[in-house]
Amino acid sequence: KNQVEQSPQSLIILEGKNCTLQCNYTVSPFSNLRWYKQDTGRGPVSLTIMTFSENTKSNGRYTATLDADTKQSSLHITASQLSDSASYICVVSSANDYKLSFGAGTTVTVRA
Amino acid sequence: GAVVSQHPSRVICKSGTSVKIECRSLDFQATTMFWYRQFPKQSLMLMATSNEGSKATYEQGVEKDKFLINHASLTLSTLTVTSAHPEDSSFYICSVLRPEAFFGQGTRLTVV
Repeated sequence: KNQVEQSPQSLIILEGKNCTLQCNYTVSPFSNLRWYKQDTGRGPVSLTIMTFSENTKSNGRYTATLDADTKQSSLHITASQLSDSASYICVVSSANDYKLSFGAGTTVTVRA
Repeated sequence: GAVVSQHPSRVICKSGTSVKIECRSLDFQATTMFWYRQFPKQSLMLMATSNEGSKATYEQGVEKDKFLINHASLTLSTLTVTSAHPEDSSFYICSVLRPEAFFGQGTRLTVV
């Protein structure tokens, strides 16, 4: 069964600090991995998408990495802002079909 | 700009009534749309795949007679929660693939 596991489940950081979220997956064959930001009560918004050949991708203060050999990805948030408080979801797509496997998300709370 | 528009964003209904949620693709034709349900602090769970001009494909455990899906045009899919009960209260989200997944804003359904 294709699975996506994220850690930590939640974290609290001070404004201006950095943090790193982890995502491990077992989806095979692998197509791509996406990170989404979901504000409370809203739909997920795409941050990055990476295919097998990409190791890193940045979107402003968000930097995602991918190690397709170990099936691990990380999302690094630099110089966190209060608006970064949200749930961050790792989503992996299989090359077999269109279905997406979702992680449970990491809830990030940024405090002043 | 937004790729997918979902309406309404919030709805409160009485137990036993039906509620219709609309999902529109704004600038392209989507032959396939996806409907998800998300309970608090949990990840998105795929309910069904909406196919334009044909029957929807439901995930295991999802009652097709309770969650009616209509994809009558290439830009509109609707999800109707029939005879709603309090346990149907949840956050419903639609998405399309282009090929990246774009999500609607979500609909918070509360059944009282």
